[in-house]
Formats: sequence, C-alpha cells, structure tokens
Amino acid sequence: DAGITQSPRHKVTETGTPVTLRCHQTENHRYMYWYRQDPGHGLRLIHYSYGVKDTDKGEVSDGYSVSRSKTEDFLLTLESATSSQTSVYFCAITGTGNYGYTFGSGTRLTVV
Amino acid sequence: QQQVKQSPQSLIVQKGGISIINCAYENTAFDYFPWYQQFPGKGPALLIAIRPDVSEKKEGRFTISFNKSAKQFSLHIMDSQPGDSATYFCAASGGQGAQKLVFGQGTRLTINP
Repeated sequence: DAGITQSPRHKVTETGTPVTLRCHQTENHRYMYWYRQDPGHGLRLIHYSYGVKDTDKGEVSDGYSVSRSKTEDFLLTLESATSSQTSVYFCAITGTGNYGYTFGSGTRLTVV
Repeated sequence: QQQVKQSPQSLIVQKGGISIINCAYENTAFDYFPWYQQFPGKGPALLIAIRPDVSEKKEGRFTISFNKSAKQFSLHIMDSQPGDSATYFCAASGGQGAQKLVFGQGTRLTINP
C-alpha cells in the first residue's frame, strides 16, 4: 500500500531463532501498530507506538518486542520464534486525528 | 477482555442480492466503528466507519446500521457484485490517542454470478 511497506513479505524460520520484521512509512504519521492475523481470530494487536521511542503493549504481546528509533520505522522482533507465532503480520499507521488505519501488505511468517 | 463478535463466519449471496454482516461489542467506551475489506494477499482496507451519534451511514452501496442500546452494528452491501467477494472485518475502538482497534473474527463473503 502506498506510504507503508513491510519486509520481508515471506519468511520461514526455525523454532528458537530470532526474527525481525520491518515496517517503513513515508507518511510521517505518529502512530504505528503491529497486528497478527490468524483464522478465527481476526486481527489482534501485538504492540503499538505513539512516537519515537514510545511504545506500548497490545492484546497479544507475549514473546514479542518492538522498537521505534525513527518516525518512519517500526520493528517487530520475535526473540525466540515458536510455532505458535506462525501467522500473517500486518503493520498499520494512523495520523493524529485520522482514525482510518492504512495497512501494509503483510508478512507471512512460518516457524518450523 | 474487550471483544467484538462477528457473524456469520462465511456468507454466500447471489449477484444483485443484499449481503448483511453483523457485529456485537461489549465495551461501552467504544466510540468508533469501522469496517475493513480484505482481498487475498492484501492488507485490510478501510471501507466505511460510523460513530455512535448516528444510527446509519451510507456510502454508495455500503451502509452501516448502528444500534447503541443493543451494542450492535451491521454492514449492508446492496446490489452485491462478484467484485465484492472478500473477507470483511468489523472493528471498534475508543478513547484518545492511539486508535487501538479491536477486530471481529471476519466474514468471508462470496458473491455468486
């Protein structure tokens, strides 16, 4: 989607390895979010950021950490990947006063 | 747990028919109710949204109906077309600052030609 890109698009990793997913925006938006999408669960919030170095936990944050050192980049790290973290991960952005999320195209992560 | 419950899980409608997807929420602090449309391999895209100060919002063939007392809202797609075949998610959020959306489980809509 325009203004927001996720990388990689696909990744297969082994159990116990660290994994970092990247979300990059060119919109200079304040808020950034990481969600995971699983069948039967919709999308669930993992972590979100409300500014550089300002982050907070979402509904399913266990096993995940995030960092935001620049406005444009929001990183999601799985310190030690588990099979339960196999999912499609979406990043989203919103600006101040703008309630509509813009989502990235997603990262399909498979932990084997 | 702040939940949004969505039904049905899947829906098949004939071309030209009306598609109806329902959602119910629990948290009375929610004050923003969007619907998202997602095509395979893509991220969800905002379709239409409503706030609780109105009972209905219409944009083209898409209408949100909102019942604050029942804590329910629904999406109606009029004159459904094969191009509307997608997965639809309702969501809700409330408060100031970051819009931490709580999503429903999703509805896979298929429009038969």
